[in-house]
Amino acid sequence: AQSVTQPDIHITVSEGASLELRCNYSYGATPYLFWYVQSPGQGLQLLLKYFSGDTLVQGIKGFEAEFKRSQSSFNLRKPSVHWSDAAEYFCAVGRKGGGADGLTFGKGTHLIIQP
Amino acid sequence: KAGVTQTPRYLIKTRGQQVTLSCSPISGHRSVSWYQQTPGQGLQFLFEYFSETQRNKGNFPGRFSGRQFSNSRSEMNVSTLELGDSALYLCASRRGGQGNTEAFFGQGTRLTVV
Repeated sequence: AQSVTQPDIHITVSEGASLELRCNYSYGATPYLFWYVQSPGQGLQLLLKYFSGDTLVQGIKGFEAEFKRSQSSFNLRKPSVHWSDAAEYFCAVGRKGGGADGLTFGKGTHLIIQP
Repeated sequence: KAGVTQTPRYLIKTRGQQVTLSCSPISGHRSVSWYQQTPGQGLQFLFEYFSETQRNKGNFPGRFSGRQFSNSRSEMNVSTLELGDSALYLCASRRGGQGNTEAFFGQGTRLTVV
């Protein structure tokens, strides 16, 4: 079965500093990978996705992520965070045909922005 | 283009009751999935419907059921509610049924069971 690990439950970053959120997955084939963001009491917004091709993918709000097959990782990065980036971030893996498990999500990383 | 709409946004029910949640997907999307989000278990997949057929199902008891109508709108039903069913229920719609299509989420229905 596929699984996703986000090792950091909380991360605190100063406004203007760079950010990297870690994501490791377990899957038997090339996965489809996603990063979502969730503000309190809201649904999930897709930041970016990886299906195939270029391993560095660009997303919305200045985020990017790099797929590293050798490390089974799909880390999310942003060069300079803004206070509005404070939220919960979820990494997810999906399977080619949808799959019986739907999207499998990590437990999330809570991002705190210090002024 | 309207996003995924879930109704109601908030719901309070008593143990033993049943509840129906509704989800209207993005126009043109044929796949609707449901997820349960709780602080302890995180986001868990409930089931997926595609063209009115349940294609996939997560590891939830039979009290959780759903259906999809010909216009792709979906409903989720939970019978004999338990306190542990309190959660944010999220609906996601996709254009197609393959894994490489983006899932767009609604804002969720917050269910509280008392």
